[in-house]
Amino acid sequence: IAGITQAPTSQILAAGRRMTLRCTQDMRHNAMYWYRQDLGLGLRLIHYSNTAGTTGKGEVPDGYSVSRANTDDFPLTLASAVPSQTSVYFCASSERAGAQETQYFGPGTRLLVL
Amino acid sequence: GQNIDQPTEMTATEGAIVQINCTYQTSGFNGLFWYQQHAGEAPTFLSYNVLDGLEEKGRFSSFLSRSKGYSYLLLKELQMKDSASYLCAVRDGDYKLSFGAGTTVTVRA
Repeated sequence: IAGITQAPTSQILAAGRRMTLRCTQDMRHNAMYWYRQDLGLGLRLIHYSNTAGTTGKGEVPDGYSVSRANTDDFPLTLASAVPSQTSVYFCASSERAGAQETQYFGPGTRLLVL
Repeated sequence: GQNIDQPTEMTATEGAIVQINCTYQTSGFNGLFWYQQHAGEAPTFLSYNVLDGLEEKGRFSSFLSRSKGYSYLLLKELQMKDSASYLCAVRDGDYKLSFGAGTTVTVRA
């Protein structure tokens, strides 16, 4: 494995169900991020983690939670999915959380909530 | 919140030049990024500007004017594979990255 992997690739989910999107990176990056991408709105930050053991809220955190138990993994959980959470979810990472740090993106998870 | 504006769509001919403009109003500024995203794929990094001026990288160049809150991405010698969305992103005073909605560039033969 090289870079960032996300699972599942796509998912159809019934409203009200709980779902965890997985993200793993093997670059030993300290900072990780979750974005959602919706047509016409661009990428919006959901949650982030500057280093293992810490997390923070982004622009659209409601309905989502994250954890960062170790450097490599950053799962995103939807506690009770709603149709408005239908989106493409991208996980990203950067070596650090500083100004010049480039973020590298995973392949995305396409989620449809019915 | 942050405000980042870029055109929705642009069309150009193979071999031509296209300039994608981005204007921004953010709380603080710690750099501007351009990403390329092909349909159904992840965004990939193209360029980074933090100081005023032009950064050139092969066929792609990016310009920044911090006083005007303005950047552009210049794509030269367009190829069919350049058909993609181009995302302007600004790192604000809290080091968060905010993205514009993206500009879809279609290259025609």
